[in-house]
Parts: sequence; structure tokens; C-alpha cells
Amino acid sequence: AQKVTQAQTEISVVEKEDVTLDCVYETRDTTYYLFWYKQPPSGELVFLIRRNSFDEQNEISGRYSWNFQKSTSSFNFTITASQVVDSAVYFCALSGLSNSGYALNFGKGTSLLVTP
Amino acid sequence: EAQVTQNPRYLITVTGKKLTVTCSQNMNHEYMSWYRQDPGLGLRQIYYSMNVEVTDKGDVPEGYKVSRKEKRNFPLILESPSPNQTSLYFCASTLAQGLNYGYTFGSGTRLTVV
Repeated sequence: AQKVTQAQTEISVVEKEDVTLDCVYETRDTTYYLFWYKQPPSGELVFLIRRNSFDEQNEISGRYSWNFQKSTSSFNFTITASQVVDSAVYFCALSGLSNSGYALNFGKGTSLLVTP
Repeated sequence: EAQVTQNPRYLITVTGKKLTVTCSQNMNHEYMSWYRQDPGLGLRQIYYSMNVEVTDKGDVPEGYKVSRKEKRNFPLILESPSPNQTSLYFCASTLAQGLNYGYTFGSGTRLTVV
């Protein structure tokens, strides 16, 4: 069975602080993909990043960075110099070859509140 | 603009009154899927379709129907809605060539069944 755990339910930071959102996953698939999505208060789901199981390179996109470590089954997401517009619920998701229909297994999400 | 379009955004209906939530994508994606999002339960897949006329059940298909007569459209049908189907629904699409692509989600449909 596959499982994605986002242990942090809610995080509150002050603007300009750095914040890391944790994601730990379980899968028996050797080939799988990991994703992060953002759900702002307006409700839509915005794709942020995908990473395949064979690519452990960290990635940076502006203020966002991702750290993928297969050894600890983690795919953590860091926002540098957070801004109020970063306030949202962030979901980590996993999809492996054993998933019927390429289904995404989502974590329960981490609600991030950035205050001025 | 490449997008997945769902309608309506909000819907309040009564128990037992059939309804359809439409979903359309303009990216020529083969794969389309429906998810529902509920507090404490997260996002769960309802149905998916690998291509035209090919559909299959996801994790929570009971009470729902889908059809895929055209590549771009994937409507979600609730023949006899019940209050436990009150939820936030998302349609998603992606290219079906392996798992190399991120899923594009629609803006969501908030359904309330009273």
C-alpha cells in the first residue's frame, strides 16, 4: 500500500521567515513520482513540482526548493523568505506504477499561514 | 490558455435530483480523472479514463457515473445525490505517456446536497 504523510497540520510564520513543509512517503514501487500542489484560499489546486524516483537532485525555483531523499523516503518543500501570498494548503502526492489509473495518493495537507 | 474547465463552480441541490458536473480540457490529454476532497479524508479518486470510451473505478466510485464520449470531455454524473456526496470535486487531466507529467486540475466544484 502507498501512503503519504504530512505530519505538520498547520504552520504559522511571519513574513520573510523560511519554512519547510515535510513529506514522508511509503511505497513498494521502484518507479514512482512525487508531486507538490498548492491550494490557495480560492480553492483550486496548483501544480508546483514533480520528481521521479530516479532523480534525487534537489530543485530550486525562485523562493521554492525541494529536497528529495530516497534513503529517508522524504520529499520536503522549503519556501525561502515567505510572503503573505504563500498562505495556502500544500499537498504532497505520490503516484506509482501500481496505482490503478495513475491515481495520485495525497497527503492530508499542511496549512501554511504567513502573517505580515 | 491550457486548462481544465469545470462547471458549475458551486451547486446546491436536493437529495435524489440527478445532476451532472461538466469537465473539459483543451490540452489533448488522454487521461482524465475525478477526485473529491473532504475534510480529514483528503483527496480521493472517484473515476478515471485512460482514453475515449475507456473508464474505470477509482477508490470511491459508489454513487457516481462517468462517460468519455469525446477526448476533451469527462462529465461526472450523480444519478441520485445524497448528503454524503457533499464535497469539493476536482477534475484533472494529464498525458498518459508514463508518469512524466504533472496533473492539471480544474478549479473545483463545490457541491452541497441537502
